[in-house]
Amino acid sequence: QSVLTQPPSVSAAPGQRVTISCSGSSSNIGNNYVSWYQQLPGTAPQLLIYDNNKRPSGIPDRFSGSKSGTSATLAISGLQTGDEADYYCGTWDRSLSAWVFGGGTKLTVL
Amino acid sequence: QEQLVESGGGVVQPGRSLRLSCATSGFTFSSYGMHWVRQAPGKGLEWVAIIWYDGTKKYYADSVKGRFTISRDNSKSTLYVQMNSLRAEDTAVYFCARGPYYYDGGAYFPHYFDLWGHGTLVTVSS
Repeated sequence: QSVLTQPPSVSAAPGQRVTISCSGSSSNIGNNYVSWYQQLPGTAPQLLIYDNNKRPSGIPDRFSGSKSGTSATLAISGLQTGDEADYYCGTWDRSLSAWVFGGGTKLTVL
Repeated sequence: QEQLVESGGGVVQPGRSLRLSCATSGFTFSSYGMHWVRQAPGKGLEWVAIIWYDGTKKYYADSVKGRFTISRDNSKSTLYVQMNSLRAEDTAVYFCARGPYYYDGGAYFPHYFDLWGHGTLVTVSS
């Protein structure tokens, strides 16, 4: 049981927009920055979004993040087949003094 | 370029020990916090431990507390994790990751993971 809650899977057609939610509490998302990671099959995770809504250099603006209260959302627009991957949210939990990840969401581009 | 390379994985019997290493290059290792993150086969990411840039602070996941020890050698730009009393549930790919901090209200907190290694597989089995 992960501290952060994500839907196990989402799907959409190429070109469409999809959102992935990440729900936590005041000890984690509510008082810390959220980051998102993309893990393509068979590879290491890669930073996708940091500081709730910032993109590292090289990440297309099709990827965006937002945070409200104790929840965060990753949005991917203009879906491509190459976006099929597992997506994880993460943040520091001040009560646990531990980093926490969501359980991960598998994106399928139909 | 900036790089993290894990090593030391393998097959080990339950109850035995293993030490993983993460050799780094291309950045000032001593300026960054470093983490270990693991992923059991077919499962999600699980954070394992963090060590502060100077080694003064270390935090662990409850699942490994008392059995794993994270350490670093800034003179060698290398991160380690000593894993003792290994269990079948410790079977996973272990990633090292670089972790900047942010400052808030008089303290520093882990911020995100901006660089990852390729991982090394640890299999605990008799």
